[in-house]
Amino acid sequence: DIQMTQSPTSLAASVGDRVTITCRASQSISSYLNWYQQKPGRAPRLLIYAASSLHSGVPSRFSGSGSGTDFTLTISSLQPEDFATYYCQQSYNTPLYTFGQGTKLEIK
Amino acid sequence: EVQLVQSGAEVKKPGESLKISCQGSGYMFSNFWIGWVRQMPDKGLEWMGVIYPGDSETTYSPSFEGHVTISVDNSGSVAYLQWSSLKASDTAMYYCARHVLGGNGGYSLDYWGQGTLVTVSS
Repeated sequence: DIQMTQSPTSLAASVGDRVTITCRASQSISSYLNWYQQKPGRAPRLLIYAASSLHSGVPSRFSGSGSGTDFTLTISSLQPEDFATYYCQQSYNTPLYTFGQGTKLEIK
Repeated sequence: EVQLVQSGAEVKKPGESLKISCQGSGYMFSNFWIGWVRQMPDKGLEWMGVIYPGDSETTYSPSFEGHVTISVDNSGSVAYLQWSSLKASDTAMYYCARHVLGGNGGYSLDYWGQGTLVTVSS
């Protein structure tokens, strides 16, 4: 199985900050990497697919990069509504799609 | 507008059976894989399995195979997740999600149901 490891597990930041979350795969997954946002009590929401493509309706302050084993999600200028938990997910090992453990982004 | 609407919360006893549902609308249901994701209390997301409504081809994560069954009713555009014998450890929120093929050939989960909370307690 492909293991996905996110870092950090939690992160405190302020509105306006630039934030980067990292996701590492246990083997190369090319660009088969998606990012999701989940707010408390809500279903997850797709942000980024194929490592760097922005899903429809997602603000442009969100961006993704990487390929192979190392990936990043960047929020260029944090907004109050961005405080949530973020998950990466690999879709290389079809169809056994594993998620990372999540990164909780909190207000500093 | 694409929507996935799940059935309501359930409270069951260990050993009981359960079937929860996920109704799709706003798109051609039979043409998209639809899967289930578990989230145990205060834990992360776990992908459970997926079904293609067009031919009912199903794949399960090894972690869930043999314990749950995924099925579909194309006539009503509904996907199901069922258990024949629940355990306390099945207590969780369960989400259905549409799987869509991206430009690079990989799948992402682009639309999600609102979740169904399953509580198993004696």
